[in-house]
Amino acid sequence: QKEVEQNSGPLSVPEGAIASLNCTYSDRGSQSFFWYRQYSGKSPELIMFIYSNGDKEDGRFTAQLNKASQYVSLLIRDSQPSDSATYLCDLRGKLVFGKGTKLTVNP
Amino acid sequence: NAGVTQTPKFQVLKTGQSMTLQCAQDMNHNSMYWYRQDPGMGLRLIYYSASEGTTDKGEVPNGYNVSRLNKREFSLRLESAAPSQTSVYFCASTPPGAGEQFFGPGTRLTVL
Repeated sequence: QKEVEQNSGPLSVPEGAIASLNCTYSDRGSQSFFWYRQYSGKSPELIMFIYSNGDKEDGRFTAQLNKASQYVSLLIRDSQPSDSATYLCDLRGKLVFGKGTKLTVNP
Repeated sequence: NAGVTQTPKFQVLKTGQSMTLQCAQDMNHNSMYWYRQDPGMGLRLIYYSASEGTTDKGEVPNGYNVSRLNKREFSLRLESAAPSQTSVYFCASTPPGAGEQFFGPGTRLTVL
């Protein structure tokens, strides 16, 4: 198993829906996780990071970490067309990124 | 405060040619990174430098060399370019103790 696996998509949701993006990882010792958004032709930019089990909310974005099951998720509520981008999860300490999930939000 | 800058933005090389990609950051960050991004492959780490004077290999170092010239600058060199090195190259940096990476705008390299 690769160190981090990301549901590669693509994922398409209607405007206003919840988009769910997931990553699983193999190293139980991994401590911190970062989610980046990358618009087409642009560089990645940080959306959220999470260190502790449970949920972390920031506006329409919620990061969820489950260390026992070794997965981290990003939920986008009330999805907007401007959320259409590729989302990358980053396993810090291992310097490993997931392959990214391309999200399209349809008006 | 320009953040992370990369030059050039675009480059076309012929097989066997050499070139150096330049990266600089003005945020006083200790760690710097070079990634390549290919369609469907996400970001793959080529080399990184945890601090001035040190460099380490990442996931895909073959065919590349790096130099951490000083705290601000981290360059990536292709000695003999191959078509397999056609990619978008991103430089990034992180401040001490923090995980967030700040990315440059990228260099789109084509090797014919």
